[in-house]
Amino acid sequence: RKEVEQDPGPFNVPEGATVAFNCTYSNSASQSFFWYRQDCRKEPKLLMSVYSSGNEDGRFTAQLNRASQYISLLIRDSKLSDSATYLCVVLGMTGGFKTIFGAGTRLFVKA
Amino acid sequence: DTEVTQTPKHLVMGMTNKKSLKCEQHMGHRAMYWYKQKAKKPPELMFVYSYEKLSINESVPSRFSPECPNSSLLNLHLHALQPEDSALYLCASSPTDPRIQYFGAGTRLSVL
Repeated sequence: RKEVEQDPGPFNVPEGATVAFNCTYSNSASQSFFWYRQDCRKEPKLLMSVYSSGNEDGRFTAQLNRASQYISLLIRDSKLSDSATYLCVVLGMTGGFKTIFGAGTRLFVKA
Repeated sequence: DTEVTQTPKHLVMGMTNKKSLKCEQHMGHRAMYWYKQKAKKPPELMFVYSYEKLSINESVPSRFSPECPNSSLLNLHLHALQPEDSALYLCASSPTDPRIQYFGAGTRLSVL
């Protein structure tokens, strides 16, 4: 089993749609969780951290469920510019801090 | 714009060449990282430096040799690479607490 698993998609949605991504992780000792965004041929950029209480940043909402070991990202009112790969990232402490990326979920928002 | 600068942006090398990738940050971060990313795959951690000391080596072949001359610089020395080593090499840095990493734009490496 992969340490961090995501549905690779692609998700094809129209502008204005709401889309949700899920991510599961296997190590219950994982400490921190993030969503990164990566555009084609660009570097990953932090979208948002994920907290147990849930957090929102504009159209983006992230949730963490430690009991079920999954993380979610909700995008409301999708824009064309949201088209990208969304990477679930888990930070664990095994032999030092290690950052583990999920395989990424590709999103295409169409007019 | 990223505050982590990587050079060169593109590199083509033969299997007998020796080359180096460079990474620089001036954010005062004390942890720096090398990742390898193949097309349509996520970044894979290679090395972690913390306070200029190597703290994690993810069983990377010895043809990749990292170096951290000071807290702002990170190098990756390449020697006798294979074509399958062709990839995007990403550098990242984070504050002492590695919770958020900032990535450079990467070096796109092709090994012929």
